Amino acid sequence: DSGVTQTPKHLITATGQRVTLRCSPRSGDLSVYWYQQSLDQGLQFLIQYYNGEERAKGNILERFSAQQFPDLHSELNLSSLELGDSALYFCASSPHKNTEAFFGQGTRLTVV
Amino acid sequence: QQQVKQSPQSLIVQKGGISIINCAYENTAFDYFPWYQQFPGKGPALLIAIRPDVSEKKEGRFTISFNKSAKQFSLHIMDSQPGDSATYFCAVSGGYNKLIFGAGTRLAVHP
Repeated sequence: DSGVTQTPKHLITATGQRVTLRCSPRSGDLSVYWYQQSLDQGLQFLIQYYNGEERAKGNILERFSAQQFPDLHSELNLSSLELGDSALYFCASSPHKNTEAFFGQGTRLTVV
Repeated sequence: QQQVKQSPQSLIVQKGGISIINCAYENTAFDYFPWYQQFPGKGPALLIAIRPDVSEKKEGRFTISFNKSAKQFSLHIMDSQPGDSATYFCAVSGGYNKLIFGAGTRLAVHP
């Protein structure tokens, strides 16, 4: 158990809908990262927050957004969902820059 | 652009053998090189990591070899076991700790 908690574990929704994925980082970790894992794209970095502020952005679609709250948990919002958004979404956390990142168990999103 | 190239895509090793997975990177600004292990349905788990001030790091049966001039690093799994069968990802990081992953290597260790 990495100490990073993601909910829900599974999510099935229809195209055009909006979902929210939640991540609780390890106790004391200030950085939260979101990754998308699909069969054809591997592990793709989406976005990073550090102590509540956006720190780095990757290949995140405009339909996706995220935030980190004062208690350091983070949410990833996916809207206007398309079939191609079906993937595993992982959250990771680390205490500060350039240290180990620990991954949660992921949320498997299926868009039908 | 592909910042990290990982090979091979898949690997079959006999129990007790040595598994070797390689990664090459482009950007000399990277300064953290971890390997992650992922089992089906699970999140990636940090296995071992190295920084460029050393050329090798060993933890149990797992060793990272790092060649700074060639911009390459590799994972060696000694005495491979069926329980090591998983997908392995190399990654690189610099600056704000964003990890950039290789495409992954699916390892199968046959008894």
